[in-house]
Amino acid sequence: GAVVSQHPSWVICKSGTSVKIECRSLDFQATTMFWYRQFPKQSLMLMATSNEGSKATYEQGVEKDKFLINHASLTLSTLTVTSAHPEDSSFYICSWGGTPSDTQYFGPGTRLTVL
Amino acid sequence: GESVGLHLPTLSVQEGDNSIINCAYSNSASDYFIWYKQESGKGPQFIIDIRSNMDKRQGQRVTVLLNKTVKHLSLQIAATQPGDSAVYFCAEKNGYSSASKIIFGSGTRLSIRP
Repeated sequence: GAVVSQHPSWVICKSGTSVKIECRSLDFQATTMFWYRQFPKQSLMLMATSNEGSKATYEQGVEKDKFLINHASLTLSTLTVTSAHPEDSSFYICSWGGTPSDTQYFGPGTRLTVL
Repeated sequence: GESVGLHLPTLSVQEGDNSIINCAYSNSASDYFIWYKQESGKGPQFIIDIRSNMDKRQGQRVTVLLNKTVKHLSLQIAATQPGDSAVYFCAEKNGYSSASKIIFGSGTRLSIRP
């Protein structure tokens, strides 16, 4: 149980394009989504928190117009990196909270490379 | 984010020995702490947690120690195995609910010598 998927698992795009990352909970429903970003050899940094049907709350220093979060349902959330640039290249990880077991479940991550 | 981006220190341990990974946390209001294991290219995997009203908790081959006075957390892995090779992160929360955000601390890469 508690399976989280992210799609795509990796993506390479050209600078200036937008990339959408999906995070799904496959066998449970949850109210809260956390999006993290991890640069090579660094820790996970929380970008934003969202609840279904509400606007996301962004951490300090994270541009809300650049990283669009759509929390569509209790099983699907998306992160769109708009007008991506090489400095946005990173490992993006989602995590579901507010789960029935009250445990937070992490996704497998999406590797974004912007050329 | 609140976590600090640092290049990861490495702990090298002989296979079969015990490993001790240390972490200093930042927020004295945090009341729940978690250790995660992250293998290359994967998401973090829960190892063990501890609430602030405890100072020690044991799991299978792992023990977490909490010293609130100096805001220090440690993870002890007994009889370290090759499969324990990974990066280990401590994390802190304010509140036990899974809807509370988790803030990750700096990580440590554990390397196992045969």
